[in-house]
Amino acid sequence: AQSVTQLDSHVSVSEGTPVLLRCNYSSSYSPSLFWYVQHPNKGLQLLLKYTSAATLVKGINGFEAEFKKSETSFHLTKPSAHMSDAAEYFCVVSDAKVSGGYQKVTFGTGTKLQVIP
Amino acid sequence: EPEVTQTPSHQVTQMGQEVILRCVPISNHLYFYWYRQILGQKVEFLVSFYNNEISEKSEIFDDQFSVERPDGSNFTLKIRSTKLEDSAMYFCASSATGIDTDTQYFGPGTRLTVL
Repeated sequence: AQSVTQLDSHVSVSEGTPVLLRCNYSSSYSPSLFWYVQHPNKGLQLLLKYTSAATLVKGINGFEAEFKKSETSFHLTKPSAHMSDAAEYFCVVSDAKVSGGYQKVTFGTGTKLQVIP
Repeated sequence: EPEVTQTPSHQVTQMGQEVILRCVPISNHLYFYWYRQILGQKVEFLVSFYNNEISEKSEIFDDQFSVERPDGSNFTLKIRSTKLEDSAMYFCASSATGIDTDTQYFGPGTRLTVL
């Protein structure tokens, strides 16, 4: 069974300061992990993806995430927040293939990021 | 860059009416999915579809829901008799075969409002 926990439902940062959005996962297998971003009234955009290559993954818009197996974490970071980063962020875990060959994904509950000018 | 598209962006319907939500997955993808997100809640898996049949469905996906790939490009979700609690954002997603099969690409969503 797989699950993902996003520890903060809301995070508020000042523009220009670092961003840290926390995610812990549980998986029976070697998981693939993703971060998606959802801007208000928009769809889900893939930010970055980890699939057992480098543990530090760089994504779009200056975001990156580090896979730490010992801590079962995949926290999302950005050195300097921009106003346009205000959105909801979802951590997603995907592990074993199910029937049909695809990999089932499970979403976290999301973290709303507020950026204060 | 190829993307998943969905129509309409917003659908308003009366309780008990049938609705069809449409999706055009990325053209070389073979796995298709529907998710929903009730306002303020997490994204929930509804159904996956491959090779013209349902691969998996959640307990949410009861007999009032059905999916179809009517032609080579569209993927539809039908709700036969809508209920108030069906009001949500519905996302379509698709993924490729091979090594990238774990990455699902999402459409912009259809906001369904049931009155």
